[in-house]
Amino acid sequence: NAGVTQTPKFRVLKTGQSMTLLCAQDMNHEYMYWYRQDPGMGLRLIHYSVGEGTTAKGEVPDGYNVSRLKKQNFLLGLESAAPSQTSVYFCASSEDSNYGYTFGSGTRLTVV
Amino acid sequence: GEDVEQSLFLSVREGDSSVINCTYTDSSSTYLYWYKQEPGAGLQLLTYIFSNMDMKQDQRLTVLLNKKDKHLSLRIADTQTGDSAIYFCAENAGNMLTFGGGTRLMVKP
Repeated sequence: NAGVTQTPKFRVLKTGQSMTLLCAQDMNHEYMYWYRQDPGMGLRLIHYSVGEGTTAKGEVPDGYNVSRLKKQNFLLGLESAAPSQTSVYFCASSEDSNYGYTFGSGTRLTVV
Repeated sequence: GEDVEQSLFLSVREGDSSVINCTYTDSSSTYLYWYKQEPGAGLQLLTYIFSNMDMKQDQRLTVLLNKKDKHLSLRIADTQTGDSAIYFCAENAGNMLTFGGGTRLMVKP
C-alpha cells in the first residue's frame, strides 16, 4: 500500500547544479502530475502526463523537464537550479482526470 | 487560466463548526474537491462533489455548492484539534486540477 513515493525527501542544491526528482506509483494510474507549493501561492502545476510516453506543460514549466518512460514513474528534472526553484515539490497520480489525486509526501528543495 | 480563491486563515474553538469558503471560475468543472494538508505531509482527498449536486454530507463534513455564484463551502461539524491543517479546494479543468491557495484552519482548545 505504498501509493505515491517521492525521492528524495530533502535536498540542498547550489545554483547551477542539476538534479532529478523521482515519483513512483503502484496503483497503475494513467495520469501523473508534478506541482510546486510555495507560501501563499497554493499548488501550481509544473508538468503532467496522461499516460506512458506522454508529457505536457502545466502552469509553470520553465526551468523543468519531465519524462514518463514507464507508466509507474514520472521524473522531474532541473537542468540548472536557481534560487527561485526553492520550493516543496509534490507528485500526484490519478486513475482519471476526474478522480481525486493521490499525493506523495513531497520533496523539500532548497537552492542556495 | 482559472483562478480558485480562498481566504487565508480561519480560527475556531474546539467543538464549534468551521466553514471554509471557496470561489471558482470554470463553470464547466464537473467535480469540485476538498483536500486537507497536515504539516509536513502531502494533500489528502477529503471529499468531492459532482457539479449537478447542491450538497453532499459525509459524517462531520458537509459540502455546499452554489453553481450560480460559483461558490463552494466545506463545513466541519464539532471541530477537533486534529482538524487543524490547511484545506484546499480544487476544480477540474481539462486534464488537471486547479487548486486554491489554501485556508489554514486553527482549532483552539
